[in-house]
Amino acid sequence: AQSVAQPEDQVNVAEGNPLTVKCTYSVSGNPYLFWYVQYPNRGLQFLLKYITGDNLVKGSYGFEAEFNKSQTSFHLKKPSALVSDSALYFCAVRDMDNFNKFYFGSGTKLNVKP
Amino acid sequence: EAGVAQSPRYKIIEKRQSVAFWCNPISGHATLYWYQQILGQGPKLLIQFQNNGVVDDSQLPKDRFSAERLKGVDSTLKIQPAKLEDSAVYLCASSPASAGQETQYFGPGTRLLVL
Repeated sequence: AQSVAQPEDQVNVAEGNPLTVKCTYSVSGNPYLFWYVQYPNRGLQFLLKYITGDNLVKGSYGFEAEFNKSQTSFHLKKPSALVSDSALYFCAVRDMDNFNKFYFGSGTKLNVKP
Repeated sequence: EAGVAQSPRYKIIEKRQSVAFWCNPISGHATLYWYQQILGQGPKLLIQFQNNGVVDDSQLPKDRFSAERLKGVDSTLKIQPAKLEDSAVYLCASSPASAGQETQYFGPGTRLLVL
């Protein structure tokens, strides 16, 4: 069955330090992977995606993510965290072989402290 | 380009009442999704349309929820009658159907509180 796992409910990091938000997935075919961010009382905003090609994908606001096929992971990273990065982050996988269905993880709350 | 529009933004009703939400996707997007996001959880897909046809409604509680997209553009999601556990944010999203355009774009959501 297709699924997405975000093993950490919350990640705490100091401003200026690197951050990583973890995501692992399970799909039957080739994965299309996404990261979204949600600020309080707002809808989900697209950050970046992996479809094919280079395993390191760069996205909005200085975020990047690394696709690792052998570990079935797609971790979100940023070299230097900002307080304004504090939000809820969702990993998602799209099954292009099954009516383009999206599956979302449960979300990780990122807290960046000054 | 205009984003996905949703209304109302907030709604408070009593249990057993009815409620309807409206969504207007990005112009030209063939695929439209309705999600339910309960506090502290990730979005759960309720129904997916491709133009005006239903692609997936396997997680839609059909005894009380219904949705339509009659002209293949905007869509309404209805709950009748509402239960306390329906309190959530209802998100609408759209995406183009063509290959290479896989990204899903979300509206601001409708926050429903059932008392």
